[in-house]
Amino acid sequence: DTAVSQTPKYLVTQMGNDKSIKCEQNLGHDTMYWYKQDSKKFLKIMFSYNNKELIINETVPNRFSPKSPDKAHLNLHINSLELGDSAVYFCASSPAEKGGTYGYTFGSGTRLTVV
Amino acid sequence: AQSVTQPDIHITVSEGASLELRCNYSYGATPYLFWYVQSPGQGLQLLLKYFSGDTLVQGIKGFEAEFKRSQSSFNLRKPSVHWSDAAEYFCAVGSSNTGKLIFGQGTTLQVKP
Repeated sequence: DTAVSQTPKYLVTQMGNDKSIKCEQNLGHDTMYWYKQDSKKFLKIMFSYNNKELIINETVPNRFSPKSPDKAHLNLHINSLELGDSAVYFCASSPAEKGGTYGYTFGSGTRLTVV
Repeated sequence: AQSVTQPDIHITVSEGASLELRCNYSYGATPYLFWYVQSPGQGLQLLLKYFSGDTLVQGIKGFEAEFKRSQSSFNLRKPSVHWSDAAEYFCAVGSSNTGKLIFGQGTTLQVKP
């Protein structure tokens, strides 16, 4: 039973399209995150939600919009996709808002390729 | 600002040899430190973490790490490497204020037979 699951695992799409990535956790955690891993494997936080409330919003283009319908789900919608959006997107969760003190549980990632 | 540096981008060791992966951090208060491993095509798995107390922490898969405040380091070690340990290793520091995990740039471990 997967703790943090993301769908889809792979996503290939054309420039200009709009796409969504879904994430669900069954750990009962309060906080969820989106990270972006670029081609050099550098991991950068994008957003964080605590119990459906946005608490971290890094400098990300406003084409990226997260949505959390409940504390177990965090989706990422991307409008007008660009070549530079190609990356692996990881969802993660932590027990509480101060996730930096607990550590995160990560999903297996969504590899987005924009052509 | 918080930051993590992993000086070694790529390390190759022979199977059965010992391993040490370096990590240096910058953080104003007592750091929360983590090591994660990422196998090809997989997500990140937590190997171990340090919050306080004993500076030598044990993790899964036979890994350990030692926190040295004077050197701002949290190096990962394993006495005998197995071929299955080949992966990307990330050191991270966690903020008690923001809740963020800040990652280093990662070290790619290659294991020679």
